[in-house]
Amino acid sequence: QKEVEQDPGPLSVPEGAIVSLNCTYSNSAFQYFMWYRQYSRKGPELLMYTYSSGNKEDGRFTAQVDKSSKYISLFIRDSQPSDSATYLCAMSSLYNAGNNRKLIWGLGTSLAVNP
Amino acid sequence: DSGVTQTPKHLITATGQRVTLRCSPRSGDLSVYWYQQSLDQGLQFLIQYYNGEERAKGNILERFSAQQFPDLHSELNLSSLELGDSALYFCASSVAETGTGRSEQYFGPGTRLTVT
Repeated sequence: QKEVEQDPGPLSVPEGAIVSLNCTYSNSAFQYFMWYRQYSRKGPELLMYTYSSGNKEDGRFTAQVDKSSKYISLFIRDSQPSDSATYLCAMSSLYNAGNNRKLIWGLGTSLAVNP
Repeated sequence: DSGVTQTPKHLITATGQRVTLRCSPRSGDLSVYWYQQSLDQGLQFLIQYYNGEERAKGNILERFSAQQFPDLHSELNLSSLELGDSALYFCASSVAETGTGRSEQYFGPGTRLTVT
């Protein structure tokens, strides 16, 4: 079983839709959670960074962490064609030693927002 | 613009050759990370440095090596290149190490390596 699972999609939605992107994980030690957006052949861009559980909102983006279910989500409201990209989740544990230093990445979900 | 710079943007070379990719982290960031991304593949973590010291290794081949210099810039050296090494190579930086606060990574634009 992979430490982080992310449905690769592709996910296709009409403009204006609410998009829900998700990752599940198996390591209960994970405490730091990130969402990145990557346009084709460009560097990933950090969208959201959360610590432990709860919600965080930034403009049209909301990140949720449910540690009891080992499940994180990214919601995009009023989706735009410019949101079409691959969305990657990443996470790490609190402890700064050995393999815990690594950020564990999902494979990414491809999103297409159609005008 | 993330503030992370990478040079060169594109590199075309032949099999068996050696190349060096360069990365300058964001001002104030002490950690540097290298990733490989092949066409339509996920990000593969290669190696991490913190303030000049190697801190974590991923699936980095023995033909690949890296270092971080006192001015905090980093270089990734790829030798005995094979066709399969063609990929995008990304550098990222963060203030602190993974597993601590302020460890969110900011990525550079990448170097596109083509091995012919």
